[in-house]
Amino acid sequence: QQQVKQSPQSLIVQKGGISIINCAYENTAFDYFPWYQQFPGKGPALLIAIRPDVSEKKEGRFTISFNKSAKQFSLHIMDSQPGDSATYFCAASGGSYIPTFGRGTSLIVHP
Amino acid sequence: DAGVIQSPRHEVTEMGQEVTLRCKPISGHDYLFWYRQTMMRGLELLIYFNNNVPIDDSGMPEDRFSAKMPNASFSTLKIQPSEPRDSAVYFCASSLSGAKYGYTFGSGTRLTVV
Repeated sequence: QQQVKQSPQSLIVQKGGISIINCAYENTAFDYFPWYQQFPGKGPALLIAIRPDVSEKKEGRFTISFNKSAKQFSLHIMDSQPGDSATYFCAASGGSYIPTFGRGTSLIVHP
Repeated sequence: DAGVIQSPRHEVTEMGQEVTLRCKPISGHDYLFWYRQTMMRGLELLIYFNNNVPIDDSGMPEDRFSAKMPNASFSTLKIQPSEPRDSAVYFCASSLSGAKYGYTFGSGTRLTVV
């Protein structure tokens, strides 16, 4: 059973555009929602995370939007740059903090 | 900080052979995780340790897979015998106090079984 559904599977954006990746979860016990960024040949790295007591968190060009009632959250990358080209994973975790990962989104930002 | 160190980076082996993947976690981290990444299944948690003790190995696919953590600075994932369907990238990750503040992943071992 896929507890965290991520879409789209792949995304192509022009430089300067907005990249949007969406995730939905099922388990209402989840209370921590991190995003990971993975470059080719590297392991995933924690990018940004949010808790359900806030609806939005922003760090530089990266913003997480969270909708608790809909059990959905999304990553927005503003002014997307070619260096942002990577695979992005959303995740969700509960009390143990062991995350359940989404399937990943391959982002390509064209110059 | 050298981060999580995995070896080898690449491994090509013949079906039926034993494969051992190695991991050195970040010093002071008390959790260690082994993940497998494939296109078909994404990131799968295989097993994790807390203070060198295996906590949950329910993700280990078969008895052919085994993992050990003899001390706080070293862990191994062994596949014996290996099969072509084991081909994947295997990641080790470590963290402090569970994964509350996120994991630190190693760069992975790309395993190819021919």
